[in-house]
Amino acid sequence: SQQGEEDPQALSIQEGENATMNCSYKTSINNLQWYRQNSGRGLVHLILIRSNEREKHSGRLRVTLDTSKKSSSLLITASRAADTASYFCASSNTGKLIFGQGTTLQVKP
Amino acid sequence: NAGVMQNPRHLVRRRGQEARLRCSPMKGHSHVYWYRQLPEEGLKFMVYLQKENIIDESGMPKERFSAEFPKEGPSILRIQQVVRGDSAAYFCASSQSGTDKGEQYFGPGTRLTVT
Repeated sequence: SQQGEEDPQALSIQEGENATMNCSYKTSINNLQWYRQNSGRGLVHLILIRSNEREKHSGRLRVTLDTSKKSSSLLITASRAADTASYFCASSNTGKLIFGQGTTLQVKP
Repeated sequence: NAGVMQNPRHLVRRRGQEARLRCSPMKGHSHVYWYRQLPEEGLKFMVYLQKENIIDESGMPKERFSAEFPKEGPSILRIQQVVRGDSAAYFCASSQSGTDKGEQYFGPGTRLTVT
């Protein structure tokens, strides 16, 4: 299967703490994208990092990419209850996105 | 600028019926992708289309499933003779560029239930 892997599968933290999610992929990529999905809803695009980039920031989000290890991480700083959702990484090579299984994040108020 | 539109949002079909799912991409986007999400799973790619062309259908089941993106109008994902295993959320995404340089933006999805 080309499907990527994410860990942890589930993460529960207190509001204000940082949350780190990791993602591994299997093939070479042109870019990697992170998405958030609230229960029963569509996907919201968070951030895209290109294969020649190592780190990218957007607000409270920080994404790193290590192409030698075929891995990426998403850090959410100063988490809020509204960050509770599932987070997916998706690698892109030939146009299509290959998604990981996702990390379910619960932020307790 | 409206986002990606999908309709219907919920669709119930009996086994053996046909399901038609529609997707209107974001304004200015000519690349459309369909993904399927089974309960408690990540999304899996089905098909990638550009206006009037199928670019990559490597994720489409060989039978009963078809997709089109005509010159005018929305993209359509068609499932003939639905079975219970087709029950899932079907998401459409669009991008401005198909060269892996652009973000894909997703619609709200169509939740298909086969009874």
